[in-house]
Amino acid sequence: EAQVTQNPRYLITVTGKKLTVTCSQNMNHEYMSWYRQDPGLGLRQIYYSMNVEVTDKGDVPEGYKVSRKEKRNFPLILESPSPNQTSLYFCASSFDPGTNEQFFGPGTRLTVL
Amino acid sequence: KQEVTQIPAALSVPEGENLVLNCSFTDSAIYNLQWFRQDPGKGLTSLLLIQSSQREQTSGRLNASLDKSSGRSTLYIAASQPGDSATYLCAVFSGNTGKLIFGQGTTLQVKP
Repeated sequence: EAQVTQNPRYLITVTGKKLTVTCSQNMNHEYMSWYRQDPGLGLRQIYYSMNVEVTDKGDVPEGYKVSRKEKRNFPLILESPSPNQTSLYFCASSFDPGTNEQFFGPGTRLTVL
Repeated sequence: KQEVTQIPAALSVPEGENLVLNCSFTDSAIYNLQWFRQDPGKGLTSLLLIQSSQREQTSGRLNASLDKSSGRSTLYIAASQPGDSATYLCAVFSGNTGKLIFGQGTTLQVKP
């Protein structure tokens, strides 16, 4: 089944403890992206990657890192999480976002205490 | 900077009604516009993708239109059903920036 998977789905952590949220797609998509969703602010793009080894900042990249070492995986790294990073995170992928739809993962709900 | 607005923020209709959701964007330099559905606590499901060169797309009871020059899109839902209750999001993709910009969404409730 074609899908975008994220792990973990739920995570409660403490301030400053490094964490990684994994994202994987099995559709051979070139483009991958991370978003966060917050009440009243909607969905905002954190980072995106047009293809392997190429990443760019979205609208809210502060406090996050990403890497794209292989096509199928695009992990989101929080080196020193803070409470303002408590949010619902989505990973998405597309073969070519200029002409093809983006497919979203199920989401990761992160709470930073 | 691209801004996407959706009106209304919430809508409640009786079952069977036809309805229209609105989406507007400030920068017409877009590659495409995508409509999504999100159920509470769930991920996003893609409904329709309209390329910048297209005027409309249809899928079942859904019809989406795009007027790029005026910065507007509409999602028409025919013969609404309780199962259509969800939040509907529109998003525009700008190839120049590689970014997908979302509206705040319209939360739809269809009453039996």
